[in-house]
Amino acid sequence: DAKTTQPPSMDCAEGRAANLPCNHSTISGNEYVYWYRQIHSQGPQYIIHGLKNNETNEMASLIITEDRKSSTLILPHATLRDTAVYYCIVRPSLLTQGGSEKLVFGKGTKLTVNP
Amino acid sequence: DAGVIQSPRHEVTEMGQEVTLRCKPISGHDYLFWYRQTMMRGLELLIYFNNNVPIDDSGMPEDRFSAKMPNASFSTLKIQPSEPRDSAVYFCASGTSGQETQYFGPGTRLLVL
Repeated sequence: DAKTTQPPSMDCAEGRAANLPCNHSTISGNEYVYWYRQIHSQGPQYIIHGLKNNETNEMASLIITEDRKSSTLILPHATLRDTAVYYCIVRPSLLTQGGSEKLVFGKGTKLTVNP
Repeated sequence: DAGVIQSPRHEVTEMGQEVTLRCKPISGHDYLFWYRQTMMRGLELLIYFNNNVPIDDSGMPEDRFSAKMPNASFSTLKIQPSEPRDSAVYFCASGTSGQETQYFGPGTRLLVL
């Protein structure tokens, strides 16, 4: 079962920041937060992951609360091509004891970017 | 890099027929995953391999499903006999030790009539 809770849908105006929340109140100390997205009719695509520090890459930023019970994925300047289902997943890192390669996908958040 | 390659991209078959889905992982990747996606159940992991060896097949729905990985560059998922409830999109993904990401193929859309 997925260990995360996400809103089923969100809307965002093109050019504005999209902030996608995720609750993971039962996260364990060795579990990372991963974000993937799935554009219509395509396979899921990795976006970013983190443990407790904020992370940024060319696609997005990940903000994790200090207690690690929730996080927010930020797309700083959303475009129409960012319309997709966004999945938040918690999983033990492969580099830690008990690490697993398995990804358990929940229902995700359907983000619609409007012109 | 061509990414993960899956074939066929679309498959329509009749109930009772055998279906074989194929996957070529990214060169150098030592993990291969098979997922199934339906509207009702979402995206589910069926089975995954490490160095061509099946590690976890707990997601395989029943004996009608089987998966093989005869070498590092090829895997198959077979359904025999197929049933209408097997209609779904089947994704293959690959990954490598030391990386935290999986790379997904474009999927095979299966329709069993």
